[in-house]
Amino acid sequence: NAGVMQNPRHLVRRRGQEARLRCSPMKGHSHVYWYRQLPEEGLKFMVYLQKENIIDESGMPKERFSAEFPKEGPSILRIQQVVRGDSAAYFCASSPQDRTSEQFFGPGTRLTVL
Amino acid sequence: TQLLEQSPQFLSIQEGENLTVYCNSSSVFSSLQWYRQEPGEGPVLLVTVVTGGEVKKLKRLTFQFGDARKDSSLHITAAQPGDTGLYLCALRLSTSGTYKYIFGTGTRLKVLA
Repeated sequence: NAGVMQNPRHLVRRRGQEARLRCSPMKGHSHVYWYRQLPEEGLKFMVYLQKENIIDESGMPKERFSAEFPKEGPSILRIQQVVRGDSAAYFCASSPQDRTSEQFFGPGTRLTVL
Repeated sequence: TQLLEQSPQFLSIQEGENLTVYCNSSSVFSSLQWYRQEPGEGPVLLVTVVTGGEVKKLKRLTFQFGDARKDSSLHITAAQPGDTGLYLCALRLSTSGTYKYIFGTGTRLKVLA
């Protein structure tokens, strides 16, 4: 009964490179949320996806950031042309349905941009 | 402006002491969740409070939801080093039939042995 899985756990990129963060939700969960956490801060909502649909991307920067949750496979958060300010922990959470259930968080991916 | 304010931001206490942390908003919310996050890990849900005035207990942790549903508190009795972590409150916002979670700024607790 695996929980939410994220990989890689740590990712180092140089400025200008692309970062791809993966999230496999818990079995049976079809809703995925991505959050960003800067050091010493709380979590900031980025995007909410269901299978093959972006439901709410109001927290995601309009440029360089994109997210998808395909019919098969993990959800992907992609950051193009990374800058130092993108360095943070990125957490994914999943839930089976959005009305009554709690979110279950993954362990996060810590992105460091050199 | 921050929708949810938590206080204090940092708290360092000795093992065995009691403590209370707070979560406040200028808006009324329908439900509120408390999470604990340990270093290097994702947040783990502790409790969801729904009804104004509601009190929930989880072993040494007592959660209270304000009568007006604009504030909440978490009280820990006889704190232990294992309670060390970041405590986050979160509310679920409903917009156009979808939901998203807004997190507070967090209280970073350190319990010294």
